[in-house]
Amino acid sequence: GNSVTQMEGPVTLSEEAFLTINCTYTATGYPSLFWYVQYPGEGLQLLLKATKADDKGSNKGFEATYRKETTSFHLEKGSVQVSDSAVYFCALDKAAGNKLTFGGGTRVLVKP
Amino acid sequence: KAGVTQTPRYLIKTRGQQVTLSCSPISGHRSVSWYQQTPGQGLQFLFEYFSETQRNKGNFPGRFSGRQFSNSRSEMNVSTLELGDSALYLCASSSSTDSYEQYFGPGTRLTVT
Repeated sequence: GNSVTQMEGPVTLSEEAFLTINCTYTATGYPSLFWYVQYPGEGLQLLLKATKADDKGSNKGFEATYRKETTSFHLEKGSVQVSDSAVYFCALDKAAGNKLTFGGGTRVLVKP
Repeated sequence: KAGVTQTPRYLIKTRGQQVTLSCSPISGHRSVSWYQQTPGQGLQFLFEYFSETQRNKGNFPGRFSGRQFSNSRSEMNVSTLELGDSALYLCASSSSTDSYEQYFGPGTRLTVT
């Protein structure tokens, strides 16, 4: 079946540091890949997506590239802010169905 | 445009009772999906409805059920509650079955005692 594995947290960084969160997936065919963010007490917000191999999703300074050869979709941001403190989820959706498979989530804490 | 709304936001129930949660999607969205979020199991897909029909179902027991109304609002029901059903229940809406963008509501926090 489909699965998503992402690095466990928490990840603690200083403001303006570089952030990388690793995400790998297992799925047949060509799933769409997503990063969602969850701030304390809130639901999930779509951060970025990529629907085919070599696509790069980007939003709010975050980027991730769909790597079919390594089945990966690592999230990066060059300079984090305290407001980026949240839990980040990598997810995939295999074809039609709005049925997301999520990774376990990575908590990121950015200190001033 | 208003976002996805879920009611109630918080709920406390006793083992053995049943509960109904409600989700109103973004106007114009016809697909509603439900997810359960727990510290132990993470985020797990429950089911998805499109135009009042269940199109996908996750691996949950039959105690978990749902429905969708003609205005796309959806409800999920959990019967014979167990302690392990304590979770944050999230619904998400999208404009079609393959839009690849789901918009999540704030969730309903269910506590079973």
